[in-house]
Amino acid sequence: EAGVVQSPRYKIIEKKQPVAFWCNPISGHNTLYWYLQNLGQGPELLIRYENEEAVDDSQLPKDRFSAERLKGVDSTLKIQPAELGDSAVYLCASSSGGANVLTFGAGSRLTVL
Amino acid sequence: GENVEQHPSTLSVQEGDSAVIKCTYSDSASNYFPWYKQELGKRPQLIIDIRSNVGEKKDQRIAVTLNKTAKHFSLHITETQPEDSAVYFCAASRTGFQKLVFGTGTRLLVSP
Repeated sequence: EAGVVQSPRYKIIEKKQPVAFWCNPISGHNTLYWYLQNLGQGPELLIRYENEEAVDDSQLPKDRFSAERLKGVDSTLKIQPAELGDSAVYLCASSSGGANVLTFGAGSRLTVL
Repeated sequence: GENVEQHPSTLSVQEGDSAVIKCTYSDSASNYFPWYKQELGKRPQLIIDIRSNVGEKKDQRIAVTLNKTAKHFSLHITETQPEDSAVYFCAASRTGFQKLVFGTGTRLLVSP
């Protein structure tokens, strides 16, 4: 089993530039999450998908962040335009069957200069 | 919404000692409490979890205890080893609700 795959692992951009992160969850996992992890902090939920439907996006800053999960498998998280405060690790996770057991990807570390 | 507090933020122990990390939660309806270990630069990985129908769960050197009345749960690591050094996160959620809320993490350092 490949696990949760994320790319890119690292991204450095200048402020006001756009950036996108991609996630491929574990096969068969219908629930997909994007978490934000600031340095020295615990992960914070940005958005949760059940299949292709975003069922919890209350923490997603919708003025600059967007996400999609086409066909209920892969997902993309986009930031446009990026701000200095967006520098963080963006973690994708997936789970199945309502079991709450999350498997995380390795994360995408964003640095905004 | 749920709020999870975690203490201490850092913990230094000698190899072979025990380590205890404590968390409190606010939502009395929460009934699922996992613990994740995150090594430097790596993904959080589930190490143990407990559901509210039990008060304690053990897996070799690690154990988790839950006090639903007081709304707190703890991670216990016995006979610590240098490879236990990492950041540990507790979390809480309602079964089926599927929104895990994490604590702020405890950096554990085990010195040889």
